[in-house]
Amino acid sequence: GQQVMQIPQYQHVQEGEDFTTYCNSSTTLSNIQWYKQRPGGHPVFLIQLVKSGEVKKQKRLTFQFGEAKKNSSLHITATQTTDVGTYFCAGPGATNKLIFGTGTLLAVQP
Amino acid sequence: DAGVTQSPTHLIKTRGQQVTLRCSPKSGHDTVSWYQQALGQGPQFIFQYYEEEERQRGNFPDRFSGHQFPNYSSELNVNALLLGDSALYLCASSLNLGQGRKAFFGQGTRLTVV
Repeated sequence: GQQVMQIPQYQHVQEGEDFTTYCNSSTTLSNIQWYKQRPGGHPVFLIQLVKSGEVKKQKRLTFQFGEAKKNSSLHITATQTTDVGTYFCAGPGATNKLIFGTGTLLAVQP
Repeated sequence: DAGVTQSPTHLIKTRGQQVTLRCSPKSGHDTVSWYQQALGQGPQFIFQYYEEEERQRGNFPDRFSGHQFPNYSSELNVNALLLGDSALYLCASSLNLGQGRKAFFGQGTRLTVV
């Protein structure tokens, strides 16, 4: 079945450093979504990318969808303690079923 | 994500018991999906309901069943609970307007089976 993997599994950075998480799907995706889950919280939608090679920015966050629509990345510039959490990518299966990636836990040391 | 409500927020059950979790979707949404999230893992799709029918199912045993009501709210039932069923159960609502619509998650129900 369809699988979505993310690396790294865990990243610890000093506040102000950059951070990148990579997402790879076993199948081509019609779109890719990114969610953030704070410790003890629930996943919160961040963004959706649809087009091949698409790049979107949200303040310090940059999201990219690969040309082959099988991979994606999230880059955070100058991390802050508020960025702490687990970042999940998710690709749609049939209908609105979402296949979540394995997640990357980001820890930011002040 | 505001607007999706789940109840209860926490629950402790004994092995072999049955549990019912509830979800009210975001206003205007007609599709409800349920996910199980074990500690340190990503959410795993259980099933999805639309028009009061189970539309798609993940790799979960028949002990997991659900229901959607005419007002689009939904229930997740788990029978014969196992210790391994301990997890955060997430409900996500969306609009049935095609593939890949973004999902709005509730705060989840933390189920502990002892």
